[in-house]
Amino acid sequence: AQTIHQWPVAEIKAVGSPLSLGCTIKGKSSPNLYWYWQATGGTLQQLFYSITVGQVESVVQLNLSASRPKDDQFILSTEKLLLSHSGFYLCAWSDWGHYAEQFFGPGTRLTVL
Amino acid sequence: AQSVDQPDAHVTLYEGASLELRCSYSYSAAPYLFWYVQYPGQSLQFLLKYITGDAVVKGTKGFEAEFRKSNSSFNLKKSPAHWSDSAKYFCALDYGGSGNKLIFGTGTLLSVKP
Repeated sequence: AQTIHQWPVAEIKAVGSPLSLGCTIKGKSSPNLYWYWQATGGTLQQLFYSITVGQVESVVQLNLSASRPKDDQFILSTEKLLLSHSGFYLCAWSDWGHYAEQFFGPGTRLTVL
Repeated sequence: AQSVDQPDAHVTLYEGASLELRCSYSYSAAPYLFWYVQYPGQSLQFLLKYITGDAVVKGTKGFEAEFRKSNSSFNLKKSPAHWSDSAKYFCALDYGGSGNKLIFGTGTLLSVKP
């Protein structure tokens, strides 16, 4: 069975500090990978997606960047955090192919002070 | 531009009643639609999807949804509702043409009273 792990579970960071969030999928070869941001109580905003190692497509940047250094790993980062970056960050995976449903990780709660 | 509208921010009903959560979309091409559920403090779980074919699609947890092209809707239904169905429900539209770009509605918070 496939498992998706996100780290850290939660972060409290200062405005202007750097950030790196990670996501790992086990038990699935060559998944499509996704990053989402959810404001507290809000809807989901897709940030990035990747269909292969080394290739990342930006949907909405929000002063963030993403990378896929390995087949099973997806990283979200920024050099300088803003207050508006606070929220819930979700990683998801799907099978390769059209219109496959996405499976979400447990998420990382980020608070920027 | 594409969009998804979930007009009901909150829906409250009693256990045993029928539930129907509304979703409408705006998209110039053939729509591919999804429903996801988020339980309090948790991540999202996939419920069902409409790609093509039968207008009524069945999903997990006893849910089904009806696609209506005539009024651009994709409403989620379940009967009877159970208190454990209390959660936030999100409708989503794939607008990328390949399944990789999703836009979500604002969600409907469902409260089922015992």
